[in-house]
This record gives sequence, structure tokens and C-alpha cells, in this order.
Amino acid sequence: DTGVSQDPRHKITKRGQNVTFRCDPISEHNRLYWYRQTLGQGPEFLTYFQNEAQLEKSRLLSDRFSAERPKGSFSTLEIQRTEQGDSAMYLCASSNQRGSYNEQFFGPGTRLTVL
Amino acid sequence: DQQVKQNSPSLSVQEGRISILNCDYTNSMFDYFLWYKKYPAEGPTFLISISSIKDKNEDGRFTVFLNKSAKHLSLHIVPSQPGDSAVYFCAALAGGGNKLTFGTGTQLKVEL
Repeated sequence: DTGVSQDPRHKITKRGQNVTFRCDPISEHNRLYWYRQTLGQGPEFLTYFQNEAQLEKSRLLSDRFSAERPKGSFSTLEIQRTEQGDSAMYLCASSNQRGSYNEQFFGPGTRLTVL
Repeated sequence: DQQVKQNSPSLSVQEGRISILNCDYTNSMFDYFLWYKKYPAEGPTFLISISSIKDKNEDGRFTVFLNKSAKHLSLHIVPSQPGDSAVYFCAALAGGGNKLTFGTGTQLKVEL
């Protein structure tokens, strides 16, 4: 399967704990994105990378959130000191730079539940 | 501040008929629009897109129409099939950017 993969698919944690999610993009896609989706809403942009450089971060990405893409391939999203409001689906997407715009291909998401 | 709006949370259509899903936007800087389909427990799947220099784009059973003056776009699915039952999201990009702005989605149910 050559699609975007995410791990884990589900994560249940207690408030105050740290969690880390992983995303493996489609191979050779140089752009990688993180979105968050809460119930009844569309996905909301968090951040994106071109190769290993993090080029844009949303105001939604508080200081407790950090994302990395150290070798320009897979990416990790870490949430420190989780809060109940962090409960959401975390989606990763990737794309290839092609002209001005390019379609983003999404992974299955990681569902986070903070108790 | 919802810049992309899908005012119909749900739509029910009979198999074989046309499904029309609507989307409105407020940001004049948006110049590229996409539709995604989402099944439960899966990520959104890209369906079709349209640039603001066009007013129509067609791909098989799916056609997207863009009315820039009204800041409105619609997705037509003809004929509708039961497998089309999913949540459909409208999304927009601005000025060569990479940040997709999504609507809240419309749940389409295609009934036999």
C-alpha cells in the first residue's frame, strides 16, 4: 500500500500525559501536513513541512504541540501535558509540489481521547 | 469565523438521481477549490478540484461548478450510487498557499 499511513490509529491517555503520533507520507511527496478534526467540524490546519523544514504553523498549535520531520520523510506530532480539549482526530496528509497547487492525500488519522 | 460554509449538514437522495452538494465561501483570496469524500474511520479522499479561472470541471460522474461572483460552488454527482454515501467536505486554498480551509461537511445518504 503506497498511501499515507498513521500510527497509532487510536490513542487513549490520561490528562497530563504526553503522546506522540507518527505519519508516513506517500513516498517522494515532499510536502507533509497535519490537521485536526473535532466532532461536527471539518479538518483544521495545524502545520506543514516542505522536506524537513516546517514552513507554517497555525495559531491552533500551542506551545504544548511540536511537530518534526527530521529527514524529510516521516513526521511526528507530539502533544505534551494533554488536556481534554486535545481530544480529536489528528490527520496527516502529503502532496507533491506540482505547479501552484496540488491535491493533498490524507491518511486514516489518529483518534486521540484524553480522559 | 467560518470562511467555508456548507449549510446543509445532511442530504438524502435516491439511487440513480442527481446529488447536489453546495458550498459557500467568504474569503475573496480563495482561488482553488477541492471536494473530499470521507467514510467513517478513514481519512478524507480527494474527489475533484477547480481553479478560479474555470467555472466547471468534470470527472466521470462528478462535476464541480464555480460561481465566483456569488462565492458559491457545487458538486453534482450523477447518477448517485449507494457507495457514494459519505461525508463530503468542500475545501479551499488561497494565493498558492498550502493551508486547506474546510467546510463542516455534508452527510450524503443514497438510498436504494
